[in-house]
Amino acid sequence: AQSVTQLGSHVSVSEGALVLLRCNYSSSVPPYLFWYVQYPNQGLQLLLKYTTGATLVKGINGFEAEFKKSETSFHLTKPSAHMSDAAEYFCAVSDPTDKLIFGTGTRLQVFP
Amino acid sequence: DGGITQSPKYLFRKEGQNVTLSCEQNLNHDAMYWYRQDPGQGLRLIYYSQIVNDFQKGDIAEGYSVSREKKESFPLTVTSAQKNPTAFYLCASGGHSTDTQYFGPGTRLTVL
Repeated sequence: AQSVTQLGSHVSVSEGALVLLRCNYSSSVPPYLFWYVQYPNQGLQLLLKYTTGATLVKGINGFEAEFKKSETSFHLTKPSAHMSDAAEYFCAVSDPTDKLIFGTGTRLQVFP
Repeated sequence: DGGITQSPKYLFRKEGQNVTLSCEQNLNHDAMYWYRQDPGQGLRLIYYSQIVNDFQKGDIAEGYSVSREKKESFPLTVTSAQKNPTAFYLCASGGHSTDTQYFGPGTRLTVL
């Protein structure tokens, strides 16, 4: 069965610092992996996804993630945090029937 | 504009009442999904439909019902049997034909 673990329910960084949000998954089949962002009282917006091919995936707003099969990880990074990056971030893996299994989310705070 | 709309944005219900949340999409997606979001628990799947006139229970279907009479529409009814309905409800579409789910803006339901 598929599952997702996001390490750290809250992450705080200073503006301009590196952002690293951790995601580990388990999957019985080659995974499709996703990162979504959610701003308060809004829906989820797709940041990036990995399906096949290049393991380093670039997304919107300067975010990127690297699929590491050996570590079963799909961590999200951004070199320099901006105040507007403050939001909740969800990692997800799709199961063989295309349902998404979500992690419990990581709330990112950015301090000036 | 292509997208997913949910209405209303805020909904208040008295105990014992059924309420219906609307979800419409004009993305021509075959699959549609309903999720419930509670603080610290991520998103949990309530129901999903991969084709018109067919739908399946997700992980937390008890106390909810759906219909899928049209490709564009997937309304969710929260019945009086749902013991703790106060939550943020998110509708999504996509899945098999696009390998990605796209989300609506959500409906916040509060039981008074």
